[in-house]
Amino acid sequence: KQEVTQIPAALSVPEGENLVLNCSFTDSAIYNLQWFRQDPGKGLTSLLLIQSSQREQTSGRLNASLDKSSGRSTLYIAASQPGDSATYLCAVHLMEYGNKLVFGAGTILRVKS
Amino acid sequence: NAGVTQTPKFRVLKTGQSMTLLCAQDMNHEYMYWYRQDPGMGLRLIHYSVGEGTTAKGEVPDGYNVSRLKKQNFLLGLESAAPSQTSVYFCASSYGRSSTDTQYFGPGTRLTVL
Repeated sequence: KQEVTQIPAALSVPEGENLVLNCSFTDSAIYNLQWFRQDPGKGLTSLLLIQSSQREQTSGRLNASLDKSSGRSTLYIAASQPGDSATYLCAVHLMEYGNKLVFGAGTILRVKS
Repeated sequence: NAGVTQTPKFRVLKTGQSMTLLCAQDMNHEYMYWYRQDPGMGLRLIHYSVGEGTTAKGEVPDGYNVSRLKKQNFLLGLESAAPSQTSVYFCASSYGRSSTDTQYFGPGTRLTVL
């Protein structure tokens, strides 16, 4: 059974710092891995999607990497801003009927001004 | 495009009551999903559908039923609500045909069962 773990569970940093969020998964048979952002009381917004054949994806100040063989992904946020404060969720897309996602519990990020 | 919408946004039930949560999408997506999110846990899949008229069980299906009579709608039913079903429920949809598919999420329904 695929399990996804995110470390740390919570992180508080001063504005301007670069930071890394970690995600690990137990089964390397995945279609892709996605990072989502969730604001309080809101739904999820997709940030980056890395296909299983890719090593990384970048969008603005965000960079996500994927190492399938070791079952790890990282989300790097450069020059953090208070507006980056949110919960960040990692999810793996299973290679099976239904194209299902398995989520980690998330990292709660607070960027202090 | 409204994307994925959910009705209602909030609901309080008493134990044993029933209710239906409605999810609607206007993106012509084939695949639709119902998740629940509990504190300290990631989203867990309840049921999903790969097309109109089809449904399948996810990770935590007990106590829930679903129907997909129209392509754009996916209903989640609680026949006899229990306090353990207090949670935030999210609906999502996707084209579902390739490894680059993204699931689009609704804003959620916060359900409390007393």
